[in-house]
Amino acid sequence: KAGVTQTPRYLIKTRGQQVTLSCSPISGHRSVSWYQQTPGQGLQFLFEYFSETQRNKGNFPGRFSGRQFSNSRSEMNVSTLELGDSALYLCASSFRDRSTDTQYFGPGTRLTVL
Amino acid sequence: AQKITQTQPGMFVQEKEAVTLDCTYDTSDQSYGLFWYKQPSSGEMIFLIYQGSYDEQNATEGRYSLNFQKARKSANLVISASQLGDSAMYFCAMKTNAGKSTFGDGTTLTVKP
Repeated sequence: KAGVTQTPRYLIKTRGQQVTLSCSPISGHRSVSWYQQTPGQGLQFLFEYFSETQRNKGNFPGRFSGRQFSNSRSEMNVSTLELGDSALYLCASSFRDRSTDTQYFGPGTRLTVL
Repeated sequence: AQKITQTQPGMFVQEKEAVTLDCTYDTSDQSYGLFWYKQPSSGEMIFLIYQGSYDEQNATEGRYSLNFQKARKSANLVISASQLGDSAMYFCAMKTNAGKSTFGDGTTLTVKP
């Protein structure tokens, strides 16, 4: 079974631009979560989607948004990029959104904002 | 609010020895899952082991075992017979049915030859 895939793997943008990251979950998984990882803040939860509905949201400004499609693929969008948005963005999928369901991570998208 | 605490920023272990990575957690939920992940320098998060809050037995997966002490709210990872390839960052995480996933700050493990 193929793992979680994320595209693109690397991205360079400038301040003020917007960016869209894509995540394809493991086949059959309906829950997708997004995380931001930076050296200073560690791994922070952005949001979780299950069956096209946002179930949980972390403490990020409204510039960060996401959505999930009927095939469970998910996208996250960051508008008006700031230097501090430079990070590794990780996507994880699980079968459901329950506490017993293991999340499997993709390789991440490394975003650099200049 | 949920919280995961990993008090060891860095750990060293000699090859072939066992090592314990500490993790304590805090939650008011009765049902939760505890997870350990390994993140090598390549960046990908690799799932290692899972423990459910209602599981009475400690989880084991090959060389990995989870020392679960519910009353103390601890979920320490034990790696037996360390290998050079075990050098990485290790994260403890918790997920509840009601809330979002929470990760600790991680422990960097270095295995010495």
